[in-house]
Amino acid sequence: DIQLTQSPSFLSASVGDRVTITCRASQGISSYLAWYQQKPGKAPKLLIYAASTLQSGVPSRFSGSGSGTEFTLTISSLQPEDFATYYCQQLNSYPHTFGGGTKVEIK
Amino acid sequence: EVQLVESGGGLVKPGGSLRLSCAASGFTFSSCGMNWVRQAPGKGLEWVSSISSSSSYIYYADSVKGRFTISRDNAKNSLYLQMNSLRAEDTAVYYCASLGHAFDIWGQGTMVTVSS
Repeated sequence: DIQLTQSPSFLSASVGDRVTITCRASQGISSYLAWYQQKPGKAPKLLIYAASTLQSGVPSRFSGSGSGTEFTLTISSLQPEDFATYYCQQLNSYPHTFGGGTKVEIK
Repeated sequence: EVQLVESGGGLVKPGGSLRLSCAASGFTFSSCGMNWVRQAPGKGLEWVSSISSSSSYIYYADSVKGRFTISRDNAKNSLYLQMNSLRAEDTAVYYCASLGHAFDIWGQGTMVTVSS
């Protein structure tokens, strides 16, 4: 099974900060990686698929990059509504594993 | 409106059974692979099971294999998860999600609590 390791697991940042979250796969997954945002008590929301393609309706301050085993999610200027937990997921093979999550909190 | 609505969660004793349902609307359900994902209280997301659009391909996480059965009824735009031999560690919010580019559409989740 492919393992996904996210770092950091916790991040404290201020409004306006540039934030980068990393997701590392235990083996190559090409670009079959998605990023989700989850707020407390809510279902996850798809932000990015195919490593770098923005889902319709997602603000352009979110971007994704990477391929193979190393991927990043960047928020160019953190907004109040962005404080949430972020998960990566690989769709290269089953099981479609998720990373452990990165909680972004207000500094 | 594109929507997935789960139902069927509740409190069940260890060893018991439960059947979750997911009703789809606003999109062509019969063309989409479907999935179940769960989240234990205070924990991360765990992929549980996937089924292809025509039910030809089915996959399970090792943690539920042999105990859970995923199925779908395209005529009723519905997805199901039959859960048997439930354990305390199956306690979680269970989400259904459609497979488009990734897990594009998610339901609101249904809580399953396994406790005596």
